Formats: sequence, C-alpha cells, structure tokens
Amino acid sequence: QVQLVQSGAEGTEVKKPGASVKVSCKASGYTFTNNHLHWVRQAPGQGLEWLGVINPRSTRTNYPQKFQGRLTLTSDTSTSTVDMELNSLTYDDTAVYYCATEGHWGAYFEYWGQGTLVTVSS
Amino acid sequence: EIVLTQSPGTLSLSPGERATLSCWASQSVTSYYLAWYQQKPGQAPRLLIYGASSRATGIPDRFSGSGSGTDFTLTITRLEPEDFAVYYCQEYGSSPGTFGPGTRLEIK
Repeated sequence: QVQLVQSGAEGTEVKKPGASVKVSCKASGYTFTNNHLHWVRQAPGQGLEWLGVINPRSTRTNYPQKFQGRLTLTSDTSTSTVDMELNSLTYDDTAVYYCATEGHWGAYFEYWGQGTLVTVSS
Repeated sequence: EIVLTQSPGTLSLSPGERATLSCWASQSVTSYYLAWYQQKPGQAPRLLIYGASSRATGIPDRFSGSGSGTDFTLTITRLEPEDFAVYYCQEYGSSPGTFGPGTRLEIK
C-alpha cells in the first residue's frame, strides 16, 4: 500500500525566526517517479495552503509566487524521498507540513504523509 | 486565481441524518476538477471525491459529490458517528492548491 512517512523528531521541529527547516518525505508502495509529490501546510486552527510540487522523475518544480525564492523541493530517486526546505522562517510559518501524492487523474491529493509540526519560536 | 467559498461554516446534525455541504467557485471550474477532503483532529486530510463526483478508493457510498461550473455539493446520506469532521473542497483545474475554508460538521 502507498505510504508517505515524514521525518522530524517525533513529528516536530522547533526553529528560531530567520532559520531554515528541512522536512523529508519517504515514499513507498508505488513507483516513485510515476507521481508528482506536493506539499501542503496548515497553520494552527486554520485551513490548508498549497506550497508547491515536484516531479520526481524530472525534478521540475512549481511554487506559488508567495514561496518562490524561499522554498526548495528536491527529490532523490535512490531513496524515494522528497525534501522540502523553507528558508527565512517567520512566526507565520508555524504549521503542520504535509506531503501528498498527486492523483492519477489530476492535481488532487490522493495519499498524505502523517504531517510534521514546525514551530517557529524565539 | 479561483477563490472557493464553502457553506455553511458549521453544520450541526445528528447521526442518521443527511448532510449537504456546498462549495462555490469565483470562476467556472475547468472540467469538473473539484475534490473534497475530510479531516479529523490531529489527522491528515483524507481524499473523498475527485473529478467532482468520483469516489476515492475505499470511500463508502454514503458519500457523493455533484455539481459543475461554479456550484458543487458534497452529500453524506445517513451520517455515521465517524463522519463528524471538517470538510474541504479543492479546485485543481487552474491552480492545484486552491482550497476552500472548510465546513465543520458537528454532532447536534
């Protein structure tokens, strides 16, 4: 079965303002290069926000303008892992970060990782 | 960018009742590219519906989606206790990540 397992000590990261955070997403149960992989985040008590997508086969990425220059997605086909790195963290980046596979019929999100809480605190 | 609005913000119903959740788009959604997700506290969202009306793998048939253009509906017939959660719609025809603000379905 498809599984996405995210890194982060016990599912959490604590960072200071201005720092960077890297969260990994390890995929299994399907052919890694066949599906685009997206990242979505959710601030405490808030809705869902799309962060970006990577094609693991080509490594081509797409980010909304809001995150361009601050977010980097990379993929490693040898380990079936996608990394998300977000720089210049502010308090507004405090959220649960999810990876998710793109669906077979379009850019909806079919399978999700368990989520990683990133807390930005001084 | 398409903006999604969901109604109502909170819906209070009892188990066994029928739930009707609405999602409106500010512009016409391309080719029925509308998905619905369910999210329970502390859990990742779960895909329910894609293509406006296709149920995802393993989703019970009490969940159904309908609509086109700018108006979409998620219907849950005969609510079960495990159905009380937050529901989000997502448009993926123009921008993959445009989500609605969500509808909270709570037990009355």
